Amino acid sequence: NAGVTQTPKFQVLKTGQSMTLQCAQDMNHNSMYWYRQDPGMGLRLIYYSASEGTTDKGEVPNGYNVSRLNKREFSLRLESAAPSQTSVYFCASSELSGRRNQPQHFGDGTRLSIL
Amino acid sequence: GQQLNQSPQSMFIQEGEDVSMNCTSSSIFNTWLWYKQEPGEGPVLLIALYKAGELTSNGRLTAQFGITRKDSFLNISASIPSDVGIYFCAGRGTGNQFYFGTGTSLTVIP
Repeated sequence: NAGVTQTPKFQVLKTGQSMTLQCAQDMNHNSMYWYRQDPGMGLRLIYYSASEGTTDKGEVPNGYNVSRLNKREFSLRLESAAPSQTSVYFCASSELSGRRNQPQHFGDGTRLSIL
Repeated sequence: GQQLNQSPQSMFIQEGEDVSMNCTSSSIFNTWLWYKQEPGEGPVLLIALYKAGELTSNGRLTAQFGITRKDSFLNISASIPSDVGIYFCAGRGTGNQFYFGTGTSLTVIP
């Protein structure tokens, strides 16, 4: 019962380095999301993919790109990491919203530090 | 983006006491969710609410979807040490995005 799996769990980067965070879900969900969590600010949406083949910007997309590789996988890329991107990153998935807005299921997070 | 105000920011309570927390938004939501997050883990869904006035329980937890559709409440009865964690509300309007509150940190003193 893996649910949502994120890799890596921890990463330290130098300013300017690039990095891809991986996320995979085994619940056959259509929608996937990337959030960042910073102290005192809750979870903020970076990008989401409502269904395979589509991606949309969330609240804080600058400095990030995403790829919905297939239905299971949704990756987040930092092309040129900046210290302001030090955060905990969470991936989530949910059923495609129909008449009800289905809740999201979260991975355990990737803790990213940029020096 | 939407603003969700969650209060209180933190709570320190004795084991056995009841807990109440709430979340208010600047706009109307169609769905309210409550999550719990423990250190080093992702948020785990506790309760989902889909209709104004709805009252839903999950064990000792009870959540309500406010009549105005701009607020939601979570109550925990007879708290125990394993209730420790950060509780987040999340709300969603007509779009695809959920917006999260800033969390309520709960400490239960045995």
